[in-house]
Amino acid sequence: EDQVTQSPEALRLQEGESSSLNCSYTVSGLRGLFWYRQDPGKGPEFLFTLYSAGEEKEKERLKATLTKKESFLHITAPKPEDSATYLCAVRNTGTASKLTFGTGTRLQVTL
Amino acid sequence: AAGVIQSPRHLIKEKRETATLKCYPIPRHDTVYWYQQGPGQDPQFLISFYEKMQSDKGSIPDRFSAQQFSDYHSELNMSSLELGDSALYFCASSPTGTEQFFGPGTRLTVL
Repeated sequence: EDQVTQSPEALRLQEGESSSLNCSYTVSGLRGLFWYRQDPGKGPEFLFTLYSAGEEKEKERLKATLTKKESFLHITAPKPEDSATYLCAVRNTGTASKLTFGTGTRLQVTL
Repeated sequence: AAGVIQSPRHLIKEKRETATLKCYPIPRHDTVYWYQQGPGQDPQFLISFYEKMQSDKGSIPDRFSAQQFSDYHSELNMSSLELGDSALYFCASSPTGTEQFFGPGTRLTVL
């Protein structure tokens, strides 16, 4: 069974204080690791897809990296508007569709 | 850019009643997914459809059923509602099994 574990559960940063979120996964055959951002009461917003170890993707202050066992979401010089829950999900080669999500990291960025 | 549309956005029902949730995917997306997210939890996969055929099934109760219509919109039918069914229900769509884009969700409250 696919498993996704995210750490930390919650993270409080000051504006400009860079940090990283971790996503460890166990999957029979990785067919994509996905990062989403979710604001309270709203649908997850797609950020990145990573397919193979060594792959990196960037978007504004966010950078996602992937190894064979984990992924990191690096946040550089965060702003208060980056406050949200960041969800990691995997899809395996044996399953046509479904994503298995981690429980997320709640990020709060303060002034 | 067009997004996934879900209706209604909020729904209040009594125990043992029936509810129907609707999802209109992004144009030209051929796959639709349904997820359930309880308070403080990660989204849990329910069911998915590809080209109007069920493609994958998760932890969906027998009281729930879903289908995808010829115009690609999908409906999730929930009968004999229980208090524990109160949650956010998300629909997501993707073009041929790639990144999933989520709708704003339907908040179902069962009293």
